[in-house]
Amino acid sequence: EVQLVESGGGLVKPGGSLRLSCVASGFTFSNYSMNWVRQAPGKGLEWVSSITSSSTYIYYADSVKGRFTISRDNAKNSLSLEMDSLRAEDTAVYFCARSRTYLGDYWGQGTLVTVSS
Amino acid sequence: QSALTQPASVSGSPGQSITISCTGTSSDVGGYNYVSWYQQHPGKAPKLMIYDVSNRPSGVSNRFSGSKSGNTASLTISGLQAEDVADYYCSSYTSSSTPWVFGGGTKLTVL
Repeated sequence: EVQLVESGGGLVKPGGSLRLSCVASGFTFSNYSMNWVRQAPGKGLEWVSSITSSSTYIYYADSVKGRFTISRDNAKNSLSLEMDSLRAEDTAVYFCARSRTYLGDYWGQGTLVTVSS
Repeated sequence: QSALTQPASVSGSPGQSITISCTGTSSDVGGYNYVSWYQQHPGKAPKLMIYDVSNRPSGVSNRFSGSKSGNTASLTISGLQAEDVADYYCSSYTSSSTPWVFGGGTKLTVL
């Protein structure tokens, strides 16, 4: 059974940093591109970042470019999102998702990030 | 990174059919057969309902179907049921500097 489990969310002050993790199981992690998608309270889904299977290509939404860093460790079946210079508008539930020709056939349950003083 | 355009809400009566549109450009919806649709219930993760414009993953009801014409993709739900009440999002691959784009979401109400 494919499973994606996020962790690392929490309350952080504006300007602070946080590192999210997503641990995968039930499939060959190194064969798939992975993504982070977020959803602000009461808002729609927003694609945040993608990384290809061997980390060859990495993409970021303009809203997070220069502040967020996506990475993966295929030996540990894990995906990470390092978030720096956090702003109030980064407050959201962050989902990791596996992609194929579409963004997400499997999604994690999400982890909540709250940026507030 | 402009979002795809979806109606904010649609509604229908039990047993009826509804269609949700998703309009993009030739750089995304119109240029690739990589449109997908997601159902999201409150407090839950999105669930893939349609991929590659018109394909249904295993386990998804055949009441859900997808199509595309030009720059507009559509999700049709037939035989509406109470359990279909949810938010629906379209997504497409895009040839812009970033690979994926979402629609703004459509709230489905069953009257």
